[in-house]
Amino acid sequence: RKEVEQDPGPFNVPEGATVAFNCTYSNSASQSFFWYRQDCRKEPKLLMSVYSSGNEDGRFTAQLNRASQYISLLIRDSKLSDSATYLCVVNLGNQFYFGTGTSLTVIP
Amino acid sequence: GAVVSQHPSWVICKSGTSVKIECRSLDFQATTMFWYRQFPKQSLMLMATSNEGSKATYEQGVEKDKFLINHASLTLSTLTVTSAHPEDSSFYICSARTDSYEQYFGPGTRLTVT
Repeated sequence: RKEVEQDPGPFNVPEGATVAFNCTYSNSASQSFFWYRQDCRKEPKLLMSVYSSGNEDGRFTAQLNRASQYISLLIRDSKLSDSATYLCVVNLGNQFYFGTGTSLTVIP
Repeated sequence: GAVVSQHPSWVICKSGTSVKIECRSLDFQATTMFWYRQFPKQSLMLMATSNEGSKATYEQGVEKDKFLINHASLTLSTLTVTSAHPEDSSFYICSARTDSYEQYFGPGTRLTVT
């Protein structure tokens, strides 16, 4: 079983739509959680850390549910520039486990 | 966020030669850095964990004698691809971990072995 499972998509949504990605992790001892964004042929960039209390950064909201071991990312009012692959990352000790990434394309 | 640089950004080399890639954390100290490889349209694959002052920890299937890692200081880790072959052509990305366990990635090195 993979440490982190993520729906690869692709998600194709119109501009202005709200889209949500989910990610599940297998190890309940996991300590830290993150969402990264990766554009084609570029390195991943940290989008936001994810906390149990939930956190919001502009149009982006991240949630962590430790009981169910899943992480979510909600993007409101999608922009064309949001098109990318979104990776969920789980940290346990000195190890980081990556989801396979969810591809998002925002369509005009 | 923190800044990680990587050099070179791209390199073309002949089969059998060695290539050295540098990864630097510019505005923070990183006791731990990671080296990844990514093939087109695939996920990042962790190759090794680089710990300052000690030997790197390699993932299963990654040859430590082929991919030499040196983490001699808190801001620099190097990956040397020895005796490169065309199948080593890939996008190599390093990352550095902060004290708060956030990972920041370098811009990557695109290696083409001819």
